[in-house]
Amino acid sequence: ETGVTQSPTHLIKTRGQQVTLRCSSQSGHNTVSWYQQALGQGPQFIFQYYREEENGRGNFPPRFSGLQFPNYSSELNVNALELDDSALYLCASSQGNEQFFGPGTRLTVL
Amino acid sequence: AQKITQTQPGMFVQEKEAVTLDCTYDTSDPSYGLFWYKQPSSGEMIFLIYQGSYDQQNATEGRYSLNFQKARKSANLVISASQLGDSAMYFCAMREPFYGQNFVFGPGTRLSVLP
Repeated sequence: ETGVTQSPTHLIKTRGQQVTLRCSSQSGHNTVSWYQQALGQGPQFIFQYYREEENGRGNFPPRFSGLQFPNYSSELNVNALELDDSALYLCASSQGNEQFFGPGTRLTVL
Repeated sequence: AQKITQTQPGMFVQEKEAVTLDCTYDTSDPSYGLFWYKQPSSGEMIFLIYQGSYDQQNATEGRYSLNFQKARKSANLVISASQLGDSAMYFCAMREPFYGQNFVFGPGTRLSVLP
């Protein structure tokens, strides 16, 4: 196991609702990245946080937002959920060359 | 344009045999990192092996080795002595520049190890 934890493991929401996903990074890792993985595809980069500041963002709309806390844990918030937001959301913490992923949160939007 | 190409959607290999999973990449940056991850059906991405663009030797980690051909922009994963537990999705990923912000993943190859 990597030491990166995510909660919840599964979540079901309806279109238009808001969701918050949580991630605790591996001890000593100050950088957290979030990815969206649709079924049958590779992960797509959403954004990265470094020392509580957003440090890069992929091609995702502003309704995807995040936070990083002083202990380097992180949240991903998604507003106005759409059906296409149904996916596995992966959090990864990194230090130097290594990037370790958590088990993911599987979000289903009905 | 695709940054990472994995041309084998699915592969089969007999237990105890070696298998090569293909990966080609596209970048104009001289400084980048290449990674392979394994994703079992449980969903967690498991780091396997890393190769830096300036590394002179091919990376190896236990039964995993990376066949890095820089001029061809290829970074194939070789798994020796396949085991049933190796059945999973395998993703090739690139980070550019070297300490860049995000990883770009390929579409993945599903490996099935046959008893």
